[in-house]
Formats: sequence, structure tokens, C-alpha cells
Amino acid sequence: EPEVTQTPSHQVTQMGQEVILRCVPISNHLYFYWYRQILGQKVEFLVSFYNNEISEKSEIFDDQFSVERPDGSNFTLKIRSTKLEDSAMYFCASIGLVVNSPLHFGNGTRLTVT
Amino acid sequence: GENVEQHPSTLSVQEGDSAVIKCTYSDSASNYFPWYKQELGKRPQLIIDIRSNVGEKKDQRIAVTLNKTAKHFSLHITETQPEDSAVYFCAASWSYQLTFGKGTKLSVIP
Repeated sequence: EPEVTQTPSHQVTQMGQEVILRCVPISNHLYFYWYRQILGQKVEFLVSFYNNEISEKSEIFDDQFSVERPDGSNFTLKIRSTKLEDSAMYFCASIGLVVNSPLHFGNGTRLTVT
Repeated sequence: GENVEQHPSTLSVQEGDSAVIKCTYSDSASNYFPWYKQELGKRPQLIIDIRSNVGEKKDQRIAVTLNKTAKHFSLHITETQPEDSAVYFCAASWSYQLTFGKGTKLSVIP
């Protein structure tokens, strides 16, 4: 069964540094997402991406965040200047064309900001 | 935007007993309601979902009910087993964006 893949599985960075989290969505999917989960808390929506542009974003997704689909397969989340409170698990997800299809999550990247 | 409330936040049951988790949502336009199971350190995995044209759906020991008038939906797990221990999240969606509840930590005591 095809899967969403994310790299790296764990990223440690110093406060103020830029990080790029990488995702390869399922190949025939068209909607891509980033979600964040702070340890012990709920899964929070960050941003959705369709047709090479952001379709929706949450209040969490401020100017420090950006997303990109640099080629036909990768989908990246960049945090420009990391803060301690950015420490969380970041999940990439994708959906096919059908509305209200199940969301397929990647295994996540655990970001630790020190 | 959509707001999803989930209760209880923690639930302990004896092995073999049933567990019920309840969620309410605010946006009457929501028409898709999945449930995810998340084991420690792992990604959320879909276990069952229901669409608004259906009131109840069952898959072996798991069932979900939906009351659109009251805007609430519930997850029922019967004959619980230790491997059911995990955090369960409900979610609601009307388009391509899911809003999650805060999760219920289910502990099944052998």
C-alpha cells in the first residue's frame, strides 16, 4: 500500500535556526497538508496545499512558516527562525481528489528546538 | 471555523468491557467524521469513518454513530483488548480540512 514518507524522523536544531521538513506524498494525491502535534496534545492543522498554492492555513502558520513543492514529488515545510515552542511532531498528510477521503499521514518528524 | 469537542480526555476500562468516546462539532456543514487511533510515538491511523448520510457504521468491534441534528458522534469499542490502549482522536470535515478533537487516552486494564 502506498505511503506518505517523511524525512528526517528526528531533527534537533538551535533556536533561531532554519529547518526544512520534507515529505513525499502518495503519488496520485493532489491535496497536501502539514499538521503539528505538541507532545501530549491534539493534532493541529497548519496548512493545506493544492495546485501549487496554499488553499488554507491556520493561525499557527505565521510568516515564519512556508511550504513548497519544489518538484513533482516533494512537499516541504520550512520554519525560518525556530522558537522553543516550535518543538513538536510534524505530520505531513495527503488526500486524493475525492472530497472527504481518508487522510493518509506520514510517520512524522519530531522537531526539537534547543 | 469548525470546533470539535471530545470527551472524556482519559478513559480506563477492564479488558472485555465496552468503551465509548463522544464528540460534538459546531459547523453544521461538516459531513465527514473519521476516527483515528494513535499509539505512542506513531502517526494517527484511521480506524473508522462515517459520512453524514449514514447514522451508524460498524466494523467488527468498532462502531460509530452520528446524530446530525444534535451535532454529535460517538465511537464505541466492544470487548476491549489491551491492544486497544491508545489515544483516539475524532475529527470533522466538510471539505478538505479536518479539525481534530483533543483526544481520549484509552487504557484497557488486563
